[in-house]
Parts: sequence; structure tokens; C-alpha cells
Amino acid sequence: KQEVTQIPAALSVPEGENLVLNCSFTDSAIYNLQWFRQDPGKGLTSLLLIQSSQREQTSGRLNASLDKSSGRSTLYIAASQPGDSATYLCAVRMETSGSRLTFGEGTQLTVNP
Amino acid sequence: DVKVTQSSRYLVKRTGEKVFLECVQDMDHENMFWYRQDPGLGLRLIYFSYDVKMKEKGDIPEGYSVSREKKERFSLILESASTNQTSMYLCASSFLHLRLGQKLHFGNGTRLTVT
Repeated sequence: KQEVTQIPAALSVPEGENLVLNCSFTDSAIYNLQWFRQDPGKGLTSLLLIQSSQREQTSGRLNASLDKSSGRSTLYIAASQPGDSATYLCAVRMETSGSRLTFGEGTQLTVNP
Repeated sequence: DVKVTQSSRYLVKRTGEKVFLECVQDMDHENMFWYRQDPGLGLRLIYFSYDVKMKEKGDIPEGYSVSREKKERFSLILESASTNQTSMYLCASSFLHLRLGQKLHFGNGTRLTVT
């Protein structure tokens, strides 16, 4: 059974810092991996999706990398801002699971002004 | 932009009541999902549907049922609400076709309290 782990559970940084969020998964037979952002009391917003054949995806100040063989993905946030404060979740779709995703529990990020 | 709309942001219901949570998407997505999110347990899949009148159980279907009579609408039903169903419920939708990458789009959630 696929398990997705995100470490740390919470992270607090000063504004302007570059930071990395980690996601690991136990079964490397994934089809893709997706990073989401969740603001308090709200739904999830998709940030980046990486197919298993890709190494990274970029969107603005965000860069997500994928190392499928080692079961790891990272989300890099450059020049962090207070507006980046949110919970970040990763989710994997398995090659054999059809439409289902397995989610990590998220990293709660606080960027202090 | 894709819009996934959940009919209620907050609901308070009594134990034993029948509860309907409604979700509508406007992007002609084939797939629709219901998750619940609880502290320490993360997101757990309750049910999903890949076509009208089709449904499949997720990881925690007990105590729930679903209805997909129209492509754009996916309803979650709690037949007899219990206090352990107090949670944040999230609806999501996506395209079926693999080549489109199947990004999930979420609604804003319904926080249900069962007293």
C-alpha cells in the first residue's frame, strides 16, 4: 500500500528566505505527483503536476522536482512571502490505481514578515 | 478557470439525520470525488465516480452513499449522521483522460458538525 510522508509537519521562516518542502512515497510505481496548497478552512489548489517521466516542473517562484526511483519529491519556494503561508500537500497517483490519489498530511508553512 | 462549487460551507446536523452534501463542477469533467479531511489523518477518499450513474468505493465508504445523476453534479449522502462523521468534506473533479494529466480541482469544502 502506498504511503506518502511529508516532513517537516510545520515550518516557520522569515520573509525572503528560499525553502524546500519534502515529500516521500514508498512505492515508486507512480504515474504522477501533484503539489497542492491549502489555505485555512478552504479547499486545495493545484500548484504543479509532474508526470513520472519528468524531473521537474516550474511555475513562477515554485519549482517541483521528482526522483521517482528514490521515492522523493521536493517543492522549492524562492524568495518566500507572507502570502505563501499555507499548508502544502503532495499527492501521488499510482500506475495501477486509476483515478485515485494518495495524499500526504502536508507541511504547514508560516512566512513571517 | 475550473469551478467546483459545494453548496454549503458550514452545516450543523443532529445524530440520525439524513444529510446531503452537494457538489457541482462546470468543466465537463468525467471524474468526481468526495474526500474527508481530519487532523492527523489527512485526506481520505470516500467515494468517486468516473461517469454518470457510475460510482466506486474509496478507502472509507462505510456510512456514506453517493449519487451521480448528471455529469456536473455529485452528491454525498450520510444516511444516518453520527458524531464521528463530523469533518471537513471536500469535493474534487478532473478529466478522465490520462494525457491531460488529470489535475484535481477542489471545491472550498463543507465543514459538517454532527451533534
